[in-house]
Amino acid sequence: DTGVSQNPRHKITKRGQNVTFRCDPISEHNRLYWYRQTLGQGPEFLTYFQNEAQLEKSRLLSDRFSAERPKGSFSTLEIQRTEQGDSAMYLCASSSDWNEDEQFFGPGTRLTVL
Amino acid sequence: AQKITQTQPGMFVQEKEAVTLDCTYDTSDQSYGLFWYKQPSSGEMIFLIYQGSYDEQNATEGRYSLNFQKARKSANLVISASQLGDSAMYFCAMRAKYTGGFKTIFGAGTRLFVKA
Repeated sequence: DTGVSQNPRHKITKRGQNVTFRCDPISEHNRLYWYRQTLGQGPEFLTYFQNEAQLEKSRLLSDRFSAERPKGSFSTLEIQRTEQGDSAMYLCASSSDWNEDEQFFGPGTRLTVL
Repeated sequence: AQKITQTQPGMFVQEKEAVTLDCTYDTSDQSYGLFWYKQPSSGEMIFLIYQGSYDEQNATEGRYSLNFQKARKSANLVISASQLGDSAMYFCAMRAKYTGGFKTIFGAGTRLFVKA
């Protein structure tokens, strides 16, 4: 499988719990993006990594959110003390240095906070 | 501020006919890229087509073409010979290369229904 993969695909949690999502980009892609998509809306940019460096973060990424890409390969997105408003689809995408504009998306992780 | 506007929440088209999905954008950047993505009910985002702000020719990819009118700041997607499998959400997106950094912004989407 050469596409972007995300795990888990679905996560149900109780308010106040911490959750962590994983994204495995296409292997030769140095650029990795996280987005959040709520029902009926387009994806909203959260953060961007180039290799292991987190180069851009949206104001949407509150201090309860943290993302890492420690070895420049897979990335994790952690949400601490989840709130019901965090319920959304979390999408990961990757792109290459030579074709940065074509982002390949993973299937997403759907988070439901009860 | 950068913004993408898709004014058609839903569109219907007869199978085998062409359909145009509207997109207008706003940016002060001179260098930007415009994209269209398809999102079927399964949820994955599928890249369809890209247009750079300095590209003189309208982008085409198979049955998809992007009608780029820079002065009007519009980037409409034209799907020719619609197929039942084209039924999906379609998102217009933009990345402003200098002022927008690495951020891609998306419109609210248009849901396309293809009728047999």
